[in-house]
Amino acid sequence: EADIYQTPRYLVIGTGKKITLECSQTMGHDKMYWYQQDPGMELHLIHYSYGVNSTEKGDLSSESTVSRIRTEHFPLTLESARPSHTSQYLCASSPEWASYEQYFGPGTRLTVT
Amino acid sequence: KNEVEQSPQNLTAQEGEFITINCSYSVGISALHWLQQHPGGGIVSLFMLSSGKKKHGRLIATINIQEKHSSLHITASHPRDSAVYICAVSQNRDDKIIFGKGTRLHILP
Repeated sequence: EADIYQTPRYLVIGTGKKITLECSQTMGHDKMYWYQQDPGMELHLIHYSYGVNSTEKGDLSSESTVSRIRTEHFPLTLESARPSHTSQYLCASSPEWASYEQYFGPGTRLTVT
Repeated sequence: KNEVEQSPQNLTAQEGEFITINCSYSVGISALHWLQQHPGGGIVSLFMLSSGKKKHGRLIATINIQEKHSSLHITASHPRDSAVYICAVSQNRDDKIIFGKGTRLHILP
């Protein structure tokens, strides 16, 4: 069973607030990913990391930022939330030796009012 | 055109029916994934395959590399199989995964 956690699971917040979505994994995986998924649509990669102090932007432009100070922790931050940020955010990780296989967290469903 | 196409988009069937979901892709891949996403949003990896066929319980996944096509089969379907099934491919050139839009499966009791 995958040990990857996301908090909060659900978040409703007002426009302009700063929010941080947490993602942690206890598997020692080097690679971590953030995906955004709108209802009924496919997942899109917004950020990824190959290890500590490594962060890259994904294929979908996002106003969010990420950091990777510790291997197990990959938080995503929105400095000023807007209704267009309403979506589901999924975190995933994969081991260096089998990077094709990704383990997904339960997701955070964000609503910005 | 999406690089990963799934069909059908929606499927409703009676309990016990044999289910087939198809996936076609247009890029060079190192692996193909079948994922299951429940209404709560969590994603579970069902299969990762690069050739041939894999079976796990009532689920079977096949891939034809030459035709760039994969199928997911569910035998003796059950209402608890109701979920969105997502096909995704890992590209040859990097570790990034491209996702299909998913097939929404609803099994009626």
